[in-house]
Amino acid sequence: EIVLTQSPGTLSLSPGERATLSCRASQSVSSSFLAWYQQKPGQAPRLLIYGASNRATGIPDRFSGSGSGTDFTLTISRLEPEDFAVYYCQQYGGSRTFGQGTKVEIK
Amino acid sequence: QVQLVESGGGVVQPGRSLRLSCTSSGFTFSSFGFHWVRQAPGKGLEWVAVIWYDGSNKNYADSVKGRFTVSRDTSKNTLYLQMNSLSAEDTAVYYCARDFKGYGPPSDFFDYWGQGTLVTVSS
Repeated sequence: EIVLTQSPGTLSLSPGERATLSCRASQSVSSSFLAWYQQKPGQAPRLLIYGASNRATGIPDRFSGSGSGTDFTLTISRLEPEDFAVYYCQQYGGSRTFGQGTKVEIK
Repeated sequence: QVQLVESGGGVVQPGRSLRLSCTSSGFTFSSFGFHWVRQAPGKGLEWVAVIWYDGSNKNYADSVKGRFTVSRDTSKNTLYLQMNSLSAEDTAVYYCARDFKGYGPPSDFFDYWGQGTLVTVSS
């Protein structure tokens, strides 16, 4: 099973700042089968990125994904108030596993 | 618009059973595979099960294999999760989620999610 490790655990930033979230896999994720989700308190997760770098329908272009192999990154270019949430990466190249999440909080 | 609505959660004693339902609307149910994903209180996400668009294949996480069964009823646009031999470790919000890709093998990531239903296993 591929284990995903997200860092940092918590990211404290101000609106307008850039957020960089990391997701590292214990072994290579085939064909960049990696997705990112956003989850706000009391809500279901929302798909942001799939295939490591493809934005899902309706996702603003301030969200971008990159990476391959074992190292992946979600970047939020300028944080909006509604972006403060928990973010999860998920690999779907073999079994389906999630990272433990990164919380982006207001500084 | 696409909607997924789970129901059937509640408090259940250890060892007992529960069946969750997920009713869908706004798209062609028979064209998509579906997953169940759970989230223990204050914890991260855990994939539980998948069923193909035509019900021909099902797959389960090791943690639930042999105890949980996923099924679907196209006539009712409804997905089910039958959970047997429940334990405290199964306490979680259970989400149904639509697979991104219609037809064929699932893509195994999720574009629409329900709001979740809470299952609490406690004596």
